[in-house]
This record gives sequence, structure tokens and C-alpha cells, in this order.
Amino acid sequence: ETGVTQTPRHLVMGMTNKKSLKCEQHLGHNAMYWYKQSAKKPLELMFVYSLEERVENNSVPSRFSPECPNSSHLFLHLHTLQPEDSALYLCASSLGQNGELFFGEGSRLTVL
Amino acid sequence: DAKTTQPPSMDCAEGRAANLPCNHSTISGNEYVYWYRQIHSQGPQYIIHGLKNNETNEMASLIITEDRKSSTLILPHATLRDTAVYYCIVRVPFSGGYNKLIFGAGTRLAVHP
Repeated sequence: ETGVTQTPRHLVMGMTNKKSLKCEQHLGHNAMYWYKQSAKKPLELMFVYSLEERVENNSVPSRFSPECPNSSHLFLHLHTLQPEDSALYLCASSLGQNGELFFGEGSRLTVL
Repeated sequence: DAKTTQPPSMDCAEGRAANLPCNHSTISGNEYVYWYRQIHSQGPQYIIHGLKNNETNEMASLIITEDRKSSTLILPHATLRDTAVYYCIVRVPFSGGYNKLIFGAGTRLAVHP
């Protein structure tokens, strides 16, 4: 238990669906991150939020839309995804921009 | 791109020390070296980090060479539960004074009985 909880753990969706991934941290951290881990590829940073403001979006396609309503919650809204977007999506949080990252267990997404 | 290179895989006998090497020859003076590991189907777990000096915590030791171009993570008494992919990462600056971790392929450590 890392203090970072992601739901759902597994998600299967069609290309025309709209779904959301949720992340919640109970560590009192003020920065949150979305990473993507595709098969046989390194983890890729997608988004960074610090104090609920987006700091980095790393050229992510607009079909991925993050939302950070407060410092404890982070969402990744998904719409019109492609099969190549199937991956493990990992949420992380840290205390400040230089603190260690604490990762959740990930949400494994399959796009049909 | 990742600023580190690691061997793709290593083996270690249970109870022995596991020494995982990492090269980061292009590291800058103010960039930290971080180590994380990822056990199958779980999120990465922080292990240790350092800048210049050797570091030790309850999980591992980090030995950084004097020129900072390479480092070694040492798990003093490896157990079967230490089987994982180990990532050596250089934390690099990006916009707004923030830093980010760029993961490479890592080293797959297999601990066997």
C-alpha cells in the first residue's frame, strides 16, 4: 500500500467510448503525475500537476484529458482512443517537485 | 531520452548481494541519480537516490563514482521478493523550475534459490 489508489484496476473500452481513470493520494502531497507504460517501452511522463495547475503535458494527444480538482485527486478522461493506447496508466504523487514519487498500482487499459 | 544505460538482465542467488550497475556519463553537476524498482504488475517503488555521496537506507546502498559517471545499487542480501525490474534514473530539469524522472528500460533482476 503506497498511499496512492487508482481505479479501476482494469478497463476495457471501445474506440467510441468515453471513460475516466481516477487517482487518489492520501499522503498530503501537492504534485501529481500521469505516466503511461506500453508493452516493451519505458514509462513515459504524460502530465504533471502541481498545486492543481498543469505544469507539463509532454505532447500528449488531445484524446487524453487530465483533470485535477484538488491536490488529492487526479483524473484522466479518455475519449475516442485507439488500440495503440492500450497500456498501463500509472498515477504518482510527490511532496513538491523534487520529492520522491509514490506510484499507484496502475490502471490497465485495453482499447478494442 | 533516458540519460542512463543498464544491463538488460542479471541473476543473483538468494542471500547474496546483488550489485546493479548504471552508466550516466552525461549527467550534469546538479542532477540526482534515482533508483526505482517495479515488481510485475505493480507500480514502480522508490528505493534510494543520491547526488555525490554514497547513500544507504533500509532497502539498499547507492555507490556513486567520484566522477559521477556511473553508480551501483547494492541489495545486501537479495531475497526472492527482490525479483523485479530496476530502473536507474537521472532526474532532469524541465519547465518552471521543476524536475522530472525519465525512465529507461531498466535491468531485470532474477533472484533464484
